[in-house]
Formats: sequence, C-alpha cells, structure tokens
Amino acid sequence: GDSVTQMEGPVTLSEEAFLTINCTYTATGYPSLFWYVQYPGEGLQLLLKATKADDKGSNKGFEATYRKETTSFHLEKGSVQVSDSAVYFCALRMGNQFYFGTGTSLTVIP
Amino acid sequence: DADVTQTPRNRITKTGKRIMLECSQTKGHDRMYWYRQDPGLGLRLIYYSFDVKDINKGEISDGYSVSRQAQAKFSLSLESAIPNQTALYFCATSDGTPSSTDTQYFGPGTRLTVL
Repeated sequence: GDSVTQMEGPVTLSEEAFLTINCTYTATGYPSLFWYVQYPGEGLQLLLKATKADDKGSNKGFEATYRKETTSFHLEKGSVQVSDSAVYFCALRMGNQFYFGTGTSLTVIP
Repeated sequence: DADVTQTPRNRITKTGKRIMLECSQTKGHDRMYWYRQDPGLGLRLIYYSFDVKDINKGEISDGYSVSRQAQAKFSLSLESAIPNQTALYFCATSDGTPSSTDTQYFGPGTRLTVL
C-alpha cells in the first residue's frame, strides 16, 4: 500500500550547518507530497508541499523536490538555525488518505 | 484565536473509564480527522469525516468511536480506556478541494494518559 519512509533521528547539527532529511515514498499513483514541522508542545504545521513530479516546494529556507524517478522528497536547508529545532514529518496524500512518516527529530546547537 | 482547538489539552484517566476528546474548527472545512501519535510510529489515522453525515474508519479505529455533531465539531471517544491508548491525539481539518493539495491543519494535541 501507500507509505512514507523517512530517515530516523535524532539529528543534531551545529548552527549554520547543512541539513538533509531523507524521505522516500511508495504509492500506486501520483501523490501530493508534504513536509510538516512540529515544534515542542504544538501540533503539526505545513512547511512545504509539491503536487507533481519535478515540483520544488520551499518555505523558510527549506526546500524539497518531488523526484518521481527515485520516489523521493528529501528536505534540505543550507544553513540551519537554533529555531529550526523541531520534529519533521514527511507525508503523502493519495486520494482521500494522508500517510505520514515516523518523524525525524532535529536539534540545532549554537 | 486558533483555527483548530482541542479540549482537554491533557487528561489522565484510569483503565475502563469512558473518555471524550473534542475538536472544534473555525476554518469552515468539511473534512476532519483524528490521529494518534506514538514515539517511533509517527501519526496514525483513527477516523475521518468528510461531512456531517460521513464517518470513515482509519488505520487503527478499534477501541475508538467518533461523532460529527456539526461541520465545526468532531469528537473522539474511548468507550473503555486501556493503557495502550496512552498517546498524543491530534485533530486535523482540510478543505477537500480536488484542485488543491488539500493541506491538513492540525490542532495543538491532547495528551492522554491511561493508568
């Protein structure tokens, strides 16, 4: 069935380091892909999205490109900040259903 | 004011008790969802509703029931709580527009502990 697999954490980086969080998906059709972020004590918030192959979603310095050939949607940021410390979830929508990855915890240290 | 609210935010209860978690939204969305979040398992869908007369089971509906009292309200009940239902519960909404990416909007969560 449809599913999302993302790299396990936790991930710890120094401020201004480069971030990559890997996400791959399995889907029977052409899903929409999302990255959500969860800050401590809060619900999930949409970070970025892409609806078709080769689309690039971007927000707050984060980017992810919908790669159909590798069924991937890796999240990247060139220079992380302490305020980026959170849990990041990759997700896909197929039809009426949403499927979430297990989340990757990121801690950025000064 | 928050668009999606959940009450209570925290609840501790005992095995066998009936518990209701409530969700309200002011986004005007037709679609509402209940998820639970467990460490290492991510979010799993419990139930979802696409309008007031529509209720659908999700991946893990056993032990739960829901009620869609109005477009804006969607309640989750645990008829007889058990310890493995200890988790963080999230309500979410979406507008269901086919042409959109149907983004989900989440409430702040309810932390439930069953002793």
